[in-house]
Amino acid sequence: DAKTTQPNSMESNEEEPVHLPCNHSTISGTDYIHWYRQLPSQGPEYVIHGLTSNVNNRMASLAIAEDRKSSTLILHRATLRDAAVYYCILRLYGQNFVFGPGTRLSVLP
Amino acid sequence: DTAVSQTPKYLVTQMGNDKSIKCEQNLGHDTMYWYKQDSKKFLKIMFSYNNKELIINETVPNRFSPKSPDKAHLNLHINSLELGDSAVYFCASSLTWTASGNTIYFGEGSWLTVV
Repeated sequence: DAKTTQPNSMESNEEEPVHLPCNHSTISGTDYIHWYRQLPSQGPEYVIHGLTSNVNNRMASLAIAEDRKSSTLILHRATLRDAAVYYCILRLYGQNFVFGPGTRLSVLP
Repeated sequence: DTAVSQTPKYLVTQMGNDKSIKCEQNLGHDTMYWYKQDSKKFLKIMFSYNNKELIINETVPNRFSPKSPDKAHLNLHINSLELGDSAVYFCASSLTWTASGNTIYFGEGSWLTVV
């Protein structure tokens, strides 16, 4: 299983940007970088994913390093509702989605 | 419409009982999964099914028996429940098994408590 490394926890103030880092030094050419989050008492939900280029959607932005060995999930303006565990996952061709411990994000009012 | 729905949401049962959790997806996906999230909050894959066929069994005890009557359904039957089976069980689906760019959609979870 491909490995990712994330900080255990991070804090942010409400309405400020949040940058959640992820290292994936063993990434190979066809591996996609996926980000999911899990709000309290809910199932994980999709946030964003990408292969090589930076990606934007209504929830977040994904910045992928040029060598693809790291990525950063950017929440442009954190709200209290964004408090969750954020999972960075490498999806290999023909392999399961493997979840690590993720980063627990706390948002302070 | 809920994309991935599972029932029941809460289940409290005694040790030794047999119980089932049902899952349905209306996304037209080929691949379905069962994940287990224990008290330490780690989310672990249990089974993967593609077009009703089992493709991954992650060393789960054979007391756990998944069944996929069709592509849209993946049920989980658990025999002789043990205290350690207490967890949240998540059903999920993705468009295909192989493509690494496909996203996965989760149900809301089934909270199983064995007493």
